[in-house]
Amino acid sequence: DTEVTQTPKHLVMGMTNKKSLKCEQHMGHRAMYWYKQKAKKPPELMFVYSYEKLSINESVPSRFSPECPNSSLLNLHLHALQPEDSALYLCASSQGGRTDTQYFGPGTRLTVL
Amino acid sequence: GQQLNQSPQSMFIQEGEDVSMNCTSSSIFNTWLWYKQDPGEGPVLLIALYKAGELTSNGRLTAQFGITRKDSFLNISASIPSDVGIYFCAGQQNAGNNRKLIWGLGTSLAVNP
Repeated sequence: DTEVTQTPKHLVMGMTNKKSLKCEQHMGHRAMYWYKQKAKKPPELMFVYSYEKLSINESVPSRFSPECPNSSLLNLHLHALQPEDSALYLCASSQGGRTDTQYFGPGTRLTVL
Repeated sequence: GQQLNQSPQSMFIQEGEDVSMNCTSSSIFNTWLWYKQDPGEGPVLLIALYKAGELTSNGRLTAQFGITRKDSFLNISASIPSDVGIYFCAGQQNAGNNRKLIWGLGTSLAVNP
């Protein structure tokens, strides 16, 4: 089973709202990722958690706040977003080691009004 | 940021034709990955390559890890309409805690039934 689940599938929010994106995997993977993807572009890495600790932050604005409550869950808290933050947000996980391979979830389509 | 050179950028083919796409880099990678992405969905892993010279098949798909470790190709044989989508290559250097993927810009495939 190589399934990563994400909720919600779609999210529309105003610039003053606070919302959260959720990601879950039950493959025993020790690394989890958040990506942002604009139309017809490759995914852009935002954050990496390794063994539940934040290991990479790609200079993402503080209006995006990641959280890893346990090894299976990853959240992305959103606050005071801008319209240009509208995108497909992808979660991924990987097992680590020599053959580290990332598996992606279906994504959350975010629209900021 | 660093990107892979992926070509062609787009292809329009007839059902039943074979397809070939490739990625090249000026840097050496230890892992090459090929993903397919449908509109509004997350990337789905097609083939993962971990060893220089490795040739791997997955049904009608075949991919190779170049012997120089700086390139990879993906072939699709006897294309069908459901092959439509964007194909991304990604390389990973697996150095220490570096889990970052370097992405190509994608090959958009259209199949005429």
